[in-house]
Amino acid sequence: QVQLQQSGPGLVKPSQTLSLTCAISGDSVSSDSAAWNWIRQSPSRGLEWLGRTYYRSKWYNDYAPSLRSRITVNPDTSKNQFSLQLNSVTPEDTAVYYCAREWQLVTYYFDYWGQGTLVTVSS
Amino acid sequence: SYELTQPPSVSVSPGQTASITCSGDKLGDKYPCWYQQKPGQSPVLVIYQDTKRPSGIPERFSGSNSGNAATLTISGTQAMDEADYYCQAWDSSTGWVFGGGTKLTVL
Repeated sequence: QVQLQQSGPGLVKPSQTLSLTCAISGDSVSSDSAAWNWIRQSPSRGLEWLGRTYYRSKWYNDYAPSLRSRITVNPDTSKNQFSLQLNSVTPEDTAVYYCAREWQLVTYYFDYWGQGTLVTVSS
Repeated sequence: SYELTQPPSVSVSPGQTASITCSGDKLGDKYPCWYQQKPGQSPVLVIYQDTKRPSGIPERFSGSNSGNAATLTISGTQAMDEADYYCQAWDSSTGWVFGGGTKLTVL
């Protein structure tokens, strides 16, 4: 059974960097059948995919075009986890942030999700 | 950028069939997924690859997809099915895209 445990601050000041971590149990961040995603949800934007990292002989990243200049998703193989960094945040980045495993064998879907972290951007 | 469109709300009486649509350009070629989300909880996968159900998802949940629209159907809807439902598809330019969500009310 895969479990994803999110951690990180719930309050970030405007212009600063939002940082969250997703610890994986029951699978490996280096799995050749999975990708590791970040998604956020707010009343104004609904569910919004942010980006992902995955390993296929080397590490790859994909990011939402609207966030490409501000976002980094990194794997940490030593701790079997992955992280999200979102720079230069504004109140518009206030949302519940989720990490999720994307299964990529034959077909593609998000089968395991973290518990969600409410991040508020406010001074 | 790619967009998926869902009706904001659908109502159904207990025991009846609920249908939730998701429309997008050439969606029939994109193998959409469907997620159920109850208040305060993370989304749960209910349909993938157009029509397949993960283990543990009741048989009353089914999916179809053709042309520019996919449909999630819940047969014999129960009170416990009241939730928000989201479709999802991959677009090579935009990445993963979610529909705006449909609130299913069972009344």
